[in-house]
Amino acid sequence: GNSVTQMEGPVTLSEEAFLTINCTYTATGYPSLFWYVQYPGEGLQLLLKATKADDKGSNKGFEATYRKETTSFHLEKGSVQVSDSAVYFCALTSTNDYKLSFGAGTTVTVRA
Amino acid sequence: TAGITQAPTSQILAAGRSMTLRCTQDMRHNAMYWYRQDLGLGLRLIHYSNTAGTTGKGEVPDGYSVSRANTDDFPLTLASAVPSQTSVYFCASSEYQETQYFGPGTRLLVL
Repeated sequence: GNSVTQMEGPVTLSEEAFLTINCTYTATGYPSLFWYVQYPGEGLQLLLKATKADDKGSNKGFEATYRKETTSFHLEKGSVQVSDSAVYFCALTSTNDYKLSFGAGTTVTVRA
Repeated sequence: TAGITQAPTSQILAAGRSMTLRCTQDMRHNAMYWYRQDLGLGLRLIHYSNTAGTTGKGEVPDGYSVSRANTDDFPLTLASAVPSQTSVYFCASSEYQETQYFGPGTRLLVL
């Protein structure tokens, strides 16, 4: 079956620091990969996605590249801000399945 | 555009009581989903519906039921609540395998 493993948190950073959150997956077929973000007190919202190997998703300064050879989709941002404090979830859907499989989430706190 | 609305925002429920969590979307998406979010476990799928009139079981369906009488509404019912159902519940919708859009969540405490 499908599964997603992401690095455990919490992660605490200073403003302008570099952020990486590792995500690896197991899936049948050709999954689409997603990063969702949950700001305090809110629901999840899509941050970025990639639908095929070597695709790079990007949004709000965040990037992630779909690496089929390493089954990874690591999230990166070069210079974080306090407003990036949130919980980040890696997720996937497989070719014939609408359902999302989520990682456990990584809590990121950025301090001024 | 409202997107997805959920009601109530939060609820305290006595064990053994029943409750229906409401979810409505205005995007005419074919698929809808219910997840529960628990610390350290991420989001787990309870039930889903690929199209109006059909439903399916997710990862943790026991103790929950759903119906999909029309495209817009996807209520989740707890027939006899237990404390282990204390959680934050999120409804989501998508157009086939496209991006899922989430509601703001319902916080449920079962005592």
